[in-house]
Amino acid sequence: DAGVIQSPRHEVTEMGQEVTLRCKPISGHDYLFWYRQTMMRGLELLIYFNNNVPIDDSGMPEDRFSAKMPNASFSTLKIQPSEPRDSAVYFCASSGLGLETQYFGPGTRLLVL
Amino acid sequence: ELKVEQNPLFLSMQEGKNYTIYCNYSTTSDRLYWYRQDPGKSLESLFVLLSNGAVKQEGRLMASLDTKARLSTLHITAAVHDLSATYFCAVDSNYQLIWGAGTKLIIKP
Repeated sequence: DAGVIQSPRHEVTEMGQEVTLRCKPISGHDYLFWYRQTMMRGLELLIYFNNNVPIDDSGMPEDRFSAKMPNASFSTLKIQPSEPRDSAVYFCASSGLGLETQYFGPGTRLLVL
Repeated sequence: ELKVEQNPLFLSMQEGKNYTIYCNYSTTSDRLYWYRQDPGKSLESLFVLLSNGAVKQEGRLMASLDTKARLSTLHITAAVHDLSATYFCAVDSNYQLIWGAGTKLIIKP
C-alpha cells in the first residue's frame, strides 16, 4: 500500500484566499483524522471521521475551517478565508479499528502571507 | 480531561549513553502509543502498548507501560546519532489520541 497520501505537499497563499487540502487514507481503514502541528501549540486534532461520518469536530478552530469525506478514499480540509495564523503543517492520518495505530501522511506545509 | 505530560521536553546526550523519556497521563487508559518525528517529516509509529506491564523493544529503543501508575517509559540504550528526533507519546481516549508535547532528543557524537 502507498500509505496515506496528501496533497499538496506545500501551499503558499495570500490572506483571504481559499485553501483546500486533500487526503487519501490507506485502503480499508475506517478512521480518518486531520491534525494541525505548530511550534506554539504542538499537535492538535481538528476532526475525525468514522466510515466517512464526522464524529468529533470540536478541534476545528472556527467556522472558517470545514472538512468533508465524500467517500472512503478521499477527504478534504478547507479553510476559507485563510489567515496568517493558519500557517502550520496539516497532517492526515488513518487507522483500521480506531484504537489501532494511526498512520500519518507526509503532511501539507501551509504558509498564509 | 485527559492530559499527557512528557519529560524531559528536550534532551541532549552523548552517543553510547543510556537515557529514559517519561510519559505520564492523567486518567485511566489501557493503550499508549510512541511515535517518532524527524525534522520536517511526518510521524512514524514506533510502539503500541496495549496492557499493563507491556514491554516492547526495537533495536536500541524499549518502551514499557504501567497503567496503575499511568506511566510509560521509552528507554534508549547506547544511543547513536541516528536516534536524534522528536519522540511523542499519545494515549487513547474514546477513539482519539491525546498527545504529549514531544521530547526533542539530540544525540551528539
